[in-house]
Amino acid sequence: DAGITQSPRHKVTETGTPVTLRCHQTENHRYMYWYRQDPGHGLRLIHYSYGVKDTDKGEVSDGYSVSRSKTEDFLLTLESATSSQTSVYFCAIRPDYYSYNEQFFGPGTRLTV
Amino acid sequence: DQQVKQNSPSLSVQEGRISILNCDYTNSMFDYFLWYKKYPAEGPTFLISISSIKDKNEDGRFTVFLNKSAKHLSLHIVPSQPGDSAVYFCAASANFGNEKLTFGTGTRLTIIP
Repeated sequence: DAGITQSPRHKVTETGTPVTLRCHQTENHRYMYWYRQDPGHGLRLIHYSYGVKDTDKGEVSDGYSVSRSKTEDFLLTLESATSSQTSVYFCAIRPDYYSYNEQFFGPGTRLTV
Repeated sequence: DQQVKQNSPSLSVQEGRISILNCDYTNSMFDYFLWYKKYPAEGPTFLISISSIKDKNEDGRFTVFLNKSAKHLSLHIVPSQPGDSAVYFCAASANFGNEKLTFGTGTRLTIIP
């Protein structure tokens, strides 16, 4: 158990509204990630973070922003939600004590726009 | 440009027989490969991995084979059990220690009792 929680677990929102998803970890690892999972696309990286206030874009970052003001929390914000952002969102961490790139995932947030 | 490909969206196997899931990649810089298993309404869980210096890695009923010249890896599950029914994702990372993973689109494995 990597100690990752995501909130909310389910959310329904309207087009044009802002939405923030939260990922919380209990072990203070440096690397945290946000992915979306869609049929036919697998898991695609949205943004990731390698420390407090240190973030970088993934392959599908348009329309999303992130913030990390504390080691344990990584927030994903949809500034103005669109129907194309309906998806299941997963947060992941990469333990600092691993030499290789195993990532461990949270339970996911199902977002419907 | 799909750098990691799982060309079989689904696979059905009789309980007790061998399940073989395949994955192809195009990026010759990939040097570390992972398999994840995902049940509905849960996050992906790490299953097994292999680095490019090996051609086989075994963990209980699960074995991953890597053919670097063909840019192909496979996951063998022997014997298959009903609890193995899930979606399986392969993933790859480049340059040992790189912080990002690239995922395939997934294969849904169904074990028939």
